[in-house]
Amino acid sequence: AQTVTQSQPEMSVQEAETVTLSCTYDTSENNYYLFWYKQPPSRQMILVIRQEAYKQQNATENRFSVNFQKAAKSFSLKISDSQLGDTAMYFCASHRSNIGGGADGLTFGKGTHLIIQP
Amino acid sequence: DVKVTQSSRYLVKRTGEKVFLECVQDMDHENMFWYRQDPGLGLRLIYFSYDVKMKEKGDIPEGYSVSREKKERFSLILESASTNQTSMYLCASSFRQIYTDTQYFGPGTRLTVL
Repeated sequence: AQTVTQSQPEMSVQEAETVTLSCTYDTSENNYYLFWYKQPPSRQMILVIRQEAYKQQNATENRFSVNFQKAAKSFSLKISDSQLGDTAMYFCASHRSNIGGGADGLTFGKGTHLIIQP
Repeated sequence: DVKVTQSSRYLVKRTGEKVFLECVQDMDHENMFWYRQDPGLGLRLIYFSYDVKMKEKGDIPEGYSVSREKKERFSLILESASTNQTSMYLCASSFRQIYTDTQYFGPGTRLTVL
């Protein structure tokens, strides 16, 4: 993907609530992977969940799930039963396609700062 | 568990200094990456390497160079540091397939150039 857009710079919810972070992307590829990364205040970026584009079933990892809408190029992250430890920056990302048509790094959105209130 | 380490968490340098940021991964990953993270801009790719001695430019390579002499180590070099290079630098690695494999990140180096 050449562009990844996260339209929510910051969100705040109460503990135990469900929250959805939005992400849209632009790509000309037929198959690709999409990722959500979490960066807690300690700064270590870790993978939350990933989705392969040709799989119709939405990925799920415990309290984290995605709503992948391929035609709309939308990839939102849902966090159920939110916990204080979920407070972090969340980045949506997809693999890049370089000028030569090959792959290099990831294209990231600008991030959503999620705050879980006690 | 994959471990990606970076030589410094915090670094303060003077304008014009040559700066080396080191990154080491311990899982025999083929691909390594350097990103720069700035508030409101997300992460931007500086350089990546898919093999020893191989390197490719990312979106913002100007003012930076890289070195990969050994598979496990990928260095980012600021030839002559400038104040606009003050930023958080993140190193990452992935196993083999750039398109599919998850990238694992180091803790980051907060560089301040005075």
